[in-house]
Amino acid sequence: GAVVSQHPSRVICKSGTSVKIECRSLDFQATTMFWYRQFPKQSLMLMATSNEGSKATYEQGVEKDKFLINHASLTLSTLTVTSAHPEDSSFYICSAVSLEGNTIYFGEGSWLTVV
Amino acid sequence: GENVEQHPSTLSVQEGDSAVIKCTYSDSASNYFPWYKQELGKRPQLIIDIRSNVGEKKDQRIAVTLNKTAKHFSLHITETQPEDSAVYFCAANPSGTYKYIFGTGTRLKVLA
Repeated sequence: GAVVSQHPSRVICKSGTSVKIECRSLDFQATTMFWYRQFPKQSLMLMATSNEGSKATYEQGVEKDKFLINHASLTLSTLTVTSAHPEDSSFYICSAVSLEGNTIYFGEGSWLTVV
Repeated sequence: GENVEQHPSTLSVQEGDSAVIKCTYSDSASNYFPWYKQELGKRPQLIIDIRSNVGEKKDQRIAVTLNKTAKHFSLHITETQPEDSAVYFCAANPSGTYKYIFGTGTRLKVLA
């Protein structure tokens, strides 16, 4: 089946720094990708919709200047957490839409720890 | 926007018994309802889904039922096994979008 890869799988960064997480669709083109955040023992919360070639659409309550999303190609979306704080520590998961199969595939997720 | 509620938050069953998890949604325009199984620290895995034009779907030990009028859908797992232990999430997909709005999750424990 289709594969969506995320990198890095785990990252530790210092408070105040920025960290970038990549989401790649490996064998299909994805005009739309989604970014979710999952705190421990909680559900997946949709953060934003990433659209290739245009600005991301953010869900209510998600700071677009803090969580920068870039979808420069049909196979890559990036999420940059700027000026990270310990409360940003979470599991971040992307998903990508395969238009051919009208199916959504999830990445493996990225653990972010801000110290 | 869409809102999905899921119950129960935790569920313990004896091996071999059945487990039922229920979800309700608010947006009557939602037309696709997947269920995911997630193990700790891993990505969600799609286990079954149902579209709004179908009332029930079954895949071996797993079944999903949908009541559009009441706007609720349920996951049924029969003959549970220890490896079924995980967190299960329902989701609703508003019509015309690829957004998934997830329920709050159910931690299922199957006791051997």
